[in-house]
Amino acid sequence: SQQGEEDPQALSIQEGENATMNCSYKTSINNLQWYRQNSGRGLVHLILIRSNEREKHSGRLRVTLDTSKKSSSLLITASRAADTASYFCATDARLTGGGNKLTFGTGTQLKVEL
Amino acid sequence: DGGITQSPKYLFRKEGQNVTLSCEQNLNHDAMYWYRQDPGQGLRLIYYSQIVNDFQKGDIAEGYSVSREKKESFPLTVTSAQKNPTAFYLCASKSASGGLYEQYFGPGTRLTVT
Repeated sequence: SQQGEEDPQALSIQEGENATMNCSYKTSINNLQWYRQNSGRGLVHLILIRSNEREKHSGRLRVTLDTSKKSSSLLITASRAADTASYFCATDARLTGGGNKLTFGTGTQLKVEL
Repeated sequence: DGGITQSPKYLFRKEGQNVTLSCEQNLNHDAMYWYRQDPGQGLRLIYYSQIVNDFQKGDIAEGYSVSREKKESFPLTVTSAQKNPTAFYLCASKSASGGLYEQYFGPGTRLTVT
């Protein structure tokens, strides 16, 4: 399996419900990031959690990180139709020559229905 | 899509032809990246550059080439040696400032080779 795999692959919920997506990874990380992609568009950064953090909030987003289990979850509360998109986790690791490299998971397709 | 532009949005080429995808950023970012995305999959790193006149191979560099002659520009050439070039190509950039880890993505170029 790949570094950074999301679960579930697809999720369909009603507006107002919460959506939870999970991400598992294999190697040590510097931080873990979540991105959103609307169909046919570029990715937009949502939130970053550092390896020494366990939970982080940003508006309706809540991210958790468990480095012992090498897993993270993204919770979107009170979902809206506009939240319909694909969500990717990306693990960030330092490169030996400097700089960082993101390794993306396969994504969760979220559909929020009215 | 921030300050990163990619052109064109759609590109059609015949098999055996080289094609160059444009990526320009006005964010004053040092690092730039090229990713490939196939349907239902996450992003895979093709090439990256942390500074002008320097670039490194990513995970799937075979059949691709890049240049970084200017800080603002990081064009990607898909050569005829790339066996499956049809894909969605995304360019990203990142600040080299300490503590800033998120990548900013362009809107993407969808390349179809027949």
